[in-house]
Amino acid sequence: AQSVSQHNHHVILSEAASLELGCNYSYGGTVNLFWYVQYPGQHLQLLLKYFSGDPLVKGIKGFEAEFIKSKFSFNLRKPSVQWSDTAEYFCAVVQSGVTGGGNKLTFGTGTQLKVEL
Amino acid sequence: EADIYQTPRYLVIGTGKKITLECSQTMGHDKMYWYQQDPGMELHLIHYSYGVNSTEKGDLSSESTVSRIRTEHFPLTLESARPSHTSQYLCASRSRVDGYTFGSGTRLTVV
Repeated sequence: AQSVSQHNHHVILSEAASLELGCNYSYGGTVNLFWYVQYPGQHLQLLLKYFSGDPLVKGIKGFEAEFIKSKFSFNLRKPSVQWSDTAEYFCAVVQSGVTGGGNKLTFGTGTQLKVEL
Repeated sequence: EADIYQTPRYLVIGTGKKITLECSQTMGHDKMYWYQQDPGMELHLIHYSYGVNSTEKGDLSSESTVSRIRTEHFPLTLESARPSHTSQYLCASRSRVDGYTFGSGTRLTVV
C-alpha cells in the first residue's frame, strides 16, 4: 500500500525566512502528487500539483515544489514566507493512469506552519 | 484496522434514478467530507460535516444531499441522477491526531 510521510509536524518561522517542507511517498509506480493548504477555519485548497513534465512545479502564492523521482520526494518550498502563510500543509499522492475506483488518494499527516511577525 | 469504507465501489445507473452512496468510518472522527474527484486529479469539496446533525455545502455546487445521524455514517444521496453526475466520489474523515483518511471512492456512471 502506498504511504506519504511528512517529516515536519510543526514548523515555526519568522517572516521573510525561507520554507521547505519535506514529503516522501512510497509507491513504485507512476503517481500524481499534490500539495494542499488548509488555512485556519477554512477547507483544503490546492497549492500545486505534479502530473508529468517539468519536475519543478509552481503553484499559487509563490509556492513551488520539486519532484525527485529517485528520492520519491516532492518537497514544498517558498523563498520568503509571510504571516498569512500560517496554515496546515498536506502532501498527497494518487496513482496516475488508474481509472475506476482503484486509485486511492493518500494524504500525509500534515505540517502545521506558524509564521511569526 | 481503523479505516473508512465506501460502497459501492462502482455504480452504473440510469438517468432519473435515486441513489445513495454509503460512507462509514470506524475511527470516531467528528469531521467528515465528500469530495468529487476525476481519477488522479484534484479534489473538489461538495459537502462536509463537523458532527452529528451538522452538514454544510462545500465549494463545488452539487445537487446531492447528505445526512449525519450517527458519527460513523455520512451517506450522500442523489434524488434524480443525471449524466452530469458521472464522476468519482470520495469520502474522508479527519482528526487532529490521524489527519485525513480517505475511502477508496465510488465511481459513478449515469447513463
